[in-house]
Amino acid sequence: LAKTTQPISMDSYEGQEVNITCSHNNIATNDYITWYQQFPSQGPRFIIQGYKTKVTNEVASLFIPADRKSSTLSLPRVSLSDTAVYYCLVGDAGGDKIIFGKGTRLHILP
Amino acid sequence: KAGVTQTPRYLIKTRGQQVTLSCSPISGHRSVSWYQQTPGQGLQFLFEYFSETQRNKGNFPGRFSGRQFSNSRSEMNVSTLELGDSALYLCASSLAGTGTYNEQFFGPGTRLTVL
Repeated sequence: LAKTTQPISMDSYEGQEVNITCSHNNIATNDYITWYQQFPSQGPRFIIQGYKTKVTNEVASLFIPADRKSSTLSLPRVSLSDTAVYYCLVGDAGGDKIIFGKGTRLHILP
Repeated sequence: KAGVTQTPRYLIKTRGQQVTLSCSPISGHRSVSWYQQTPGQGLQFLFEYFSETQRNKGNFPGRFSGRQFSNSRSEMNVSTLELGDSALYLCASSLAGTGTYNEQFFGPGTRLTVL
């Protein structure tokens, strides 16, 4: 499983765009990049997944450069309710256990 | 469609006791995974069951065990509880199993406190 590195914590303000970058230097050809969001005392929730270039859904965008050694989760116009821990995961559909790591604790300020 | 449900939501036990937690996956999902979450260690994978068979296992002692029934419902058991077993235990279900590509749907968790 590819190891991921992401900032431990980030602060931002309401209405700003927030970008969280994840480094995964040894990503394999078959690996996808997936992000989860977790609020306190709840289970993680799938946000977005991508393989290359850019993916956008109703809550976020995921930017993946050509070498795929990093990825950036972009949250547009954040609100206080976006305060959560965000996990970057890299892996394939091969059935290996998922490793969540420590995640990035995002704190949105008013 | 109903989400993943876990029972009980909260549990208080004393050292040396055993505990059984239950998880009902989303209808149609055959894979159930269990995770332990603590402030110090974060989210750690315990094991995964798929069609009643344990398919993956994390690095936990044998005191932690699980099973899956024919209707995909799963239970996990912790015997001889220790103080360090206090944690939020999360269950996740998916259509195809673990593997980062497969979206995991998590339940609300069971908060276990060991005194």
